[in-house]
This record gives sequence, structure tokens and C-alpha cells, in this order.
Amino acid sequence: SQQGEEDPQALSIQEGENATMNCSYKTSINNLQWYRQNSGRGLVHLILIRSNEREKHSGRLRVTLDTSKKSSSLLITASRAADTASYFCATKNYGGSQGNLIFGKGTKLSVKP
Amino acid sequence: DTEVTQTPKHLVMGMTNKKSLKCEQHMGHRAMYWYKQKAKKPPELMFVYSYEKLSINESVPSRFSPECPNSSLLNLHLHALQPEDSALYLCASSQDTGSDRVYNSPLHFGNGTRLTVT
Repeated sequence: SQQGEEDPQALSIQEGENATMNCSYKTSINNLQWYRQNSGRGLVHLILIRSNEREKHSGRLRVTLDTSKKSSSLLITASRAADTASYFCATKNYGGSQGNLIFGKGTKLSVKP
Repeated sequence: DTEVTQTPKHLVMGMTNKKSLKCEQHMGHRAMYWYKQKAKKPPELMFVYSYEKLSINESVPSRFSPECPNSSLLNLHLHALQPEDSALYLCASSQDTGSDRVYNSPLHFGNGTRLTVT
């Protein structure tokens, strides 16, 4: 079953602009993770934010988490053509002792040079 | 390049064939996963192995049979598949599956096997 819902479903921007993707989820979580997937390839882990954290940075990535609103956002600053990919949020729910990650539907990002 | 290796990269099989997908990791991870991904959809969990034992089967049809020969290898045996089973099959690993009190390590994915059932 799906937990996360990303929006927008698709986003097209120019190189150098910032890209913001949002993720909403339904149940209490242990952590929330963001992954990137280039076309036809596997997923690559970008960043993990725990339920007791509000913001996290990694290079050009900034993730926020609002557990009261059950939502998260991923900001990519100064985007590059190489950032073109699909981005998925994934949640680890409380009570899922086996570490079952549930992926959202994803945002397809296109960065034009 | 990914540290999780999947073979083959592409596979075309008939509905009466038997084939196997293979996955290998040498990161010392104790949890391994099979995901199925249809075009423009998120990955869907199929199976989870924890310490070489099957811990989750997401009600996957018996025509898919997982096997974990050792802590580094994960196989997915395929038999009598249907055309709707055509998809990208992704293998992943993590340090462990964790629990609510334990930091959950991220998943490391392979590049998948593109399966076409004719």
C-alpha cells in the first residue's frame, strides 16, 4: 500500500533554478527518506530525516519535515541538467518492525540546460 | 556504479519458461529486498530477507519464488509468468531491517533487471 504522495507529479525548470518537491503521508513515521531514480536505473538514496528532526541539509539538498502536517519537502538549489530524474519519498512506519519502506508516487523533475 | 549487482540486465521469457534473477552485495548488509516497478510507478515491495530468513512476503503469487543462499546473494526464481509481470525488478540491501527503536539504514539498490514476458 502507498503512504507518501508527492506533488507535483512533474516539474520542469531551467538550470540554475531551485526545485521544490513535496511529500505527504498518512500515518506516524519513524523516518522519511528521499530517493532519486534516473530513467531505467535503480534508486539512489539521497537523505534520511528522522521523526524528531525538522530540517536536514546535504550539499544542494535541503529536506524539511513537519510531523504535525504529516508532510516533507525536498529542495534542490541551483539545479543542474544532471538533476533530471524521478524523486521519491519513502516512509518507515512505526509498528513495522521489519523495516518496510513505503514509496510515494514520485515527482518527475526535468531540468533544462 | 551501484554496489548491488543484478543480473541479467534484460530478460525476455515466455510464459512457460523458468528463469532466475540474481542479486549480489558485498557490503555486509544483513537485509535484502526484492521490489517490482512498473513504468511510471513507484517500487512495490515483494519480499524482505533478514539475516537470510524470509521475513516479509507481500502476498506475492507463487510463480515468484525468492531464495537467499547466503548473506551476499539473493535470487528470484520465475516460473509460469504472465505478460502483466513484465516490469523492472529491483534488488536492494540495507544494514538491517531495524525496528522502531533502531536507526533505519537506507536502502542500496541495484540497477534492476528489465523483464519482458511474452
